[in-house]
Amino acid sequence: DTEVTQTPKHLVMGMTNKKSLKCEQHMGHRAMYWYKQKAKKPPELMFVYSYEKLSINESVPSRFSPECPNSSLLNLHLHALQPEDSALYLCASSRTRSDEQFFGPGTRLTVL
Amino acid sequence: QKEVEQNSGPLSVPEGAIASLNCTYSDRVSQSFFWYRQYSGKSPELIMSIYSNGDKEDGRFTAQLNKASQYVSLLIRDSQPSDSATYLCAVTDGGSQGNLIFGKGTKLSVKP
Repeated sequence: DTEVTQTPKHLVMGMTNKKSLKCEQHMGHRAMYWYKQKAKKPPELMFVYSYEKLSINESVPSRFSPECPNSSLLNLHLHALQPEDSALYLCASSRTRSDEQFFGPGTRLTVL
Repeated sequence: QKEVEQNSGPLSVPEGAIASLNCTYSDRVSQSFFWYRQYSGKSPELIMSIYSNGDKEDGRFTAQLNKASQYVSLLIRDSQPSDSATYLCAVTDGGSQGNLIFGKGTKLSVKP
């Protein structure tokens, strides 16, 4: 298995909802990432997990909460989001922090 | 501020021609360099990685790296309409254990 999977593909939520994005990889990679990408912009790093420990929190608002239950799974919990949080949320993984990163298909999030 | 610069394009080439995409970076200690292809509405797909000076070829793609000039390029030979996409140059941040710094991307259009 050489891919990163993400669910759901699309998500529409209100500003008072709580939802979660899920990411999974079975490549044995020990680093996993969450990125946010707005239209016509490059991906912006949100969180990095290395060996299941959060290494960097890039000053992301607390309404985004990451979780890494095990080395294959990554979640992003969403709460009280704003319309400007609407974007493509990308998960990526790499063998280690310094190796090439492989992206999942993304979750298209719309906040109403 | 560490930066990766790309010409945003659009770069338009006829089918069968060579497309040349360029990227410069500011962080002299960057060690790893990547090219991602991103189709509209899709996630980035890794197409080339290069770590040492010189050329690296993979099928119709050739990546070129010149660390002294802080320059990395991607050549696409025999361009096809299916190559039409945005190409993202990404460089590891030498001071942050491998975080990627992305350029803004170059939009390539291959005309039949």
